[in-house]
Amino acid sequence: GAVVSQHPSWVICKSGTSVKIECRSLDFQATTMFWYRQFPKQSLMLMATSNEGSKATYEQGVEKDKFLINHASLTLSTLTVTSAHPEDSSFYICSARDPYFDEQYFGPGTRLTVT
Amino acid sequence: AQSVSQHNHHVILSEAASLELGCNYSYGGTVNLFWYVQYPGQHLQLLLKYFSGDPLVKGIKGFEAEFIKSKFSFNLRKPSVQWSDTAEYFCAVNAHTGTASKLTFGTGTRLQVTL
Repeated sequence: GAVVSQHPSWVICKSGTSVKIECRSLDFQATTMFWYRQFPKQSLMLMATSNEGSKATYEQGVEKDKFLINHASLTLSTLTVTSAHPEDSSFYICSARDPYFDEQYFGPGTRLTVT
Repeated sequence: AQSVSQHNHHVILSEAASLELGCNYSYGGTVNLFWYVQYPGQHLQLLLKYFSGDPLVKGIKGFEAEFIKSKFSFNLRKPSVQWSDTAEYFCAVNAHTGTASKLTFGTGTRLQVTL
């Protein structure tokens, strides 16, 4: 099946710094990627939809200036958490949509801890 | 907007027991329905999906789900669970609203299978 990777798998940063998370589709081209946030023992909450070559679409309540998304190529989307705070600590998961099968493939997630 | 309800938050079963996990969605139009599984420490994987046709869908690892349109339900079943089925199970809906691949997830059901 299709593979989606995320890097890093976990990161610890200090409050006020920025962190970049990469999401790559390894064996297919994804015009659309999605970024989710998962709190412990809770479901995935869609943060934004990332479209290659255009601005991301953010869900209600998600600060676009805080969670910067760039989808520069058909295989790479990045999420930058700017000026991170402890409440941003979470598990961030990306998915990539394979347009041929109209199916989303999920990355392994990135655990962010802000101290 | 669509929503998804999973009423069973934590299910404990003995090996060989039968499984049924409930999933109800709220949306008046055409939907695609999915069940994902997240094994401990692993990423989300697709178990099965329903787009159209036969409402009884068979997926991987012996799982199946039945779409009952009149009940807005898509329950997941397995006749005989194994210890290796211990995982978190998420139901998801993709409503045909134009943003065709925007998934809405249920809160998840933690399945624990005991020996």
